[in-house]
Amino acid sequence: AQSVTQLDSQVPVFEEAPVELRCNYSSSVSVYLFWYVQYPNQGLQLLLKYLSGSTLVKGINGFEAEFNKSQTSFHLRKPSVHISDTAEYFCAPSSNNNNDMRFGAGTRLTVKP
Amino acid sequence: EPEVTQTPSHQVTQMGQEVILRCVPISNHLYFYWYRQILGQKVEFLVSFYNNEISEKSEIFDDQFSVERPDGSNFTLKIRSTKLEDSAMYFCASIKGGTNVLTFGAGSRLTVL
Repeated sequence: AQSVTQLDSQVPVFEEAPVELRCNYSSSVSVYLFWYVQYPNQGLQLLLKYLSGSTLVKGINGFEAEFNKSQTSFHLRKPSVHISDTAEYFCAPSSNNNNDMRFGAGTRLTVKP
Repeated sequence: EPEVTQTPSHQVTQMGQEVILRCVPISNHLYFYWYRQILGQKVEFLVSFYNNEISEKSEIFDDQFSVERPDGSNFTLKIRSTKLEDSAMYFCASIKGGTNVLTFGAGSRLTVL
């Protein structure tokens, strides 16, 4: 199974500020990478994914992430956040094996007015 | 868009009672999963299921837990004798196969008193 580290447990930012949520994974094999978002009192929703191809992937709600193989990172970014982006964000790597998706501890993004 | 459906949304039970959480995965999906999220904590893998048998299970998934797909449609998680520490949100997920993209249900909140 994959191992994943989300370096920041909480990220408070002001509305319209840029944000980066960091994720590092450990892997020696081909890897797929995902970010899921969990809004308050809701389930998990896929934000974006990297399976192959361009290392910069764009997701919903203006988020994007860059796969960096040499640094084993998949940081999530948004140039200008909104109050509605307040949520828990989970990074989740998996290999070419449908059994081994594991989630990071999560980063709580709080956007303040 | 097809959804993974979970019932009940919230169940309150007494310690020692049996609980069954139900999930209806997306119809053409082949791999099924249960994850657990204790309040305020990370999403933890419990078990994966493929071809009518368990593919992998975590250390959390002890003898008190079982899964089955009784009718080719529902995918159930049974907790035989609930403990206080079983209180959590339980998420069902499924994958079509070949995509590695998990689709999650909205979750079932279990409260053990």
